[in-house]
Amino acid sequence: DIQMTQSPSSLSASIGDRVTLTCRASQSITSYLNWYQQKPGKAPKLLIYAASSLQSGVPSRFSGSGSGTDFTLTISSLQPEDFATYYCQQSYSTPLTFGGGTKVDI
Amino acid sequence: QLQLQESGSGLVKPSETLSLTCAISGGSISSGGDSWSWIRQPPGKGLEWIGHFHHSGNTYSNPSLDSRVTISVDRSKNQFSLKLSSVTAADTAVYYCATRAGSSFRYGMDVWGPGTTVTVS
Repeated sequence: DIQMTQSPSSLSASIGDRVTLTCRASQSITSYLNWYQQKPGKAPKLLIYAASSLQSGVPSRFSGSGSGTDFTLTISSLQPEDFATYYCQQSYSTPLTFGGGTKVDI
Repeated sequence: QLQLQESGSGLVKPSETLSLTCAISGGSISSGGDSWSWIRQPPGKGLEWIGHFHHSGNTYSNPSLDSRVTISVDRSKNQFSLKLSSVTAADTAVYYCATRAGSSFRYGMDVWGPGTTVTVS
């Protein structure tokens, strides 16, 4: 199985901050890396697919980069609605696997 | 607009079989994305992919769940199902069904059901 490791596990930030989350795969997954946002009691929401493609309807302050084993999700200017937990997920091979998540709070 | 809705047993006894169904609306299981997935999330923990039915006709499941998983499709009812046998307390979780509308699972899952809570006790 491909292991996905996210860092940090949590971070505190303020409105307007630029925030960068990191995800590392245990082997190369080329660009088959997706990012999700999850708020308490809700299903995950797809933000970024294929490492850097913005899902339709997602604000442009979200961006993704990386390939191979190292990936980042950047929020250029944190907004109140962005406080949530973020998960990366590889879709290179089954079993599909998720990172442990990064919780972004105030 | 494609929508998914989970339903099924919310309380299951240890050693019994968990059964859930995902109803699809706003689209067809036969013409939608290439795969239909089940994912779960234990209380306070992260996401775990259980498995998916692929349009090739094959089903793939997480080896961590051994051979306890059965995923099936009912095209006449436009739904797909999950059965998880020999459950224990570790199977207590919110269970989600999800898919990538009109595309491949490789590009993430953009349509999710709201989730259904299953407690094993």
